[in-house]
Amino acid sequence: EAGVAQSPRYKIIEKRQSVAFWCNPISGHATLYWYQQILGQGPKLLIQFQNNGVVDDSQLPKDRFSAERLKGVDSTLKIQPAKLEDSAVYLCASSLGVQPRTDTQYFGPGTRLTVL
Amino acid sequence: KNEVEQSPQNLTAQEGEFITINCSYSVGISALHWLQQHPGGGIVSLFMLSSGKKKHGRLIATINIQEKHSSLHITASHPRDSAVYICVLARGNYQLIWGAGTKLIIKP
Repeated sequence: EAGVAQSPRYKIIEKRQSVAFWCNPISGHATLYWYQQILGQGPKLLIQFQNNGVVDDSQLPKDRFSAERLKGVDSTLKIQPAKLEDSAVYLCASSLGVQPRTDTQYFGPGTRLTVL
Repeated sequence: KNEVEQSPQNLTAQEGEFITINCSYSVGISALHWLQQHPGGGIVSLFMLSSGKKKHGRLIATINIQEKHSSLHITASHPRDSAVYICVLARGNYQLIWGAGTKLIIKP
């Protein structure tokens, strides 16, 4: 079974530029998560999709971050414009069911973003 | 007060030692997850517990719902066990609350 795929793996941009990350979850997984992990900290949930609907985006900085999951499969996370404090690893995870409290999450390798 | 607290924050031990990592919480939960994050970032789900005890290889996880406490044990620890171990609380339909993690280093 293929795992969660993310691209790019690394990205370096200057502040005020835009950037987009892509995630392809495990086939058939209904729930998709985007996390931000700043160095030395635990992951912080940015947004959670069930199929193509958003169930939790309470911690997404909506003035600069946006995410979509068209057709309930792949997802993109965009930052526009980026700030220095956005430097982090962006993790995508997916789970099979619609009960995230009890489903196992499978994580992608992450995208390491550096904002200069 | 944080809803979930892990201890210790950092743990260094010698190869072969028995390791215990603790997770205490103050809210009602439906389940608790233990995750492992290796240097380089990959996260792997180890256990999902709603009661009792689970074992997988050298890893054992226990939970006491009444005391709001869970432990992760590693027997015969090995340098490859060096990682950050994170407990995550599951509440309600969607809410997941992440602990800060315990950084474990096993020296050969």
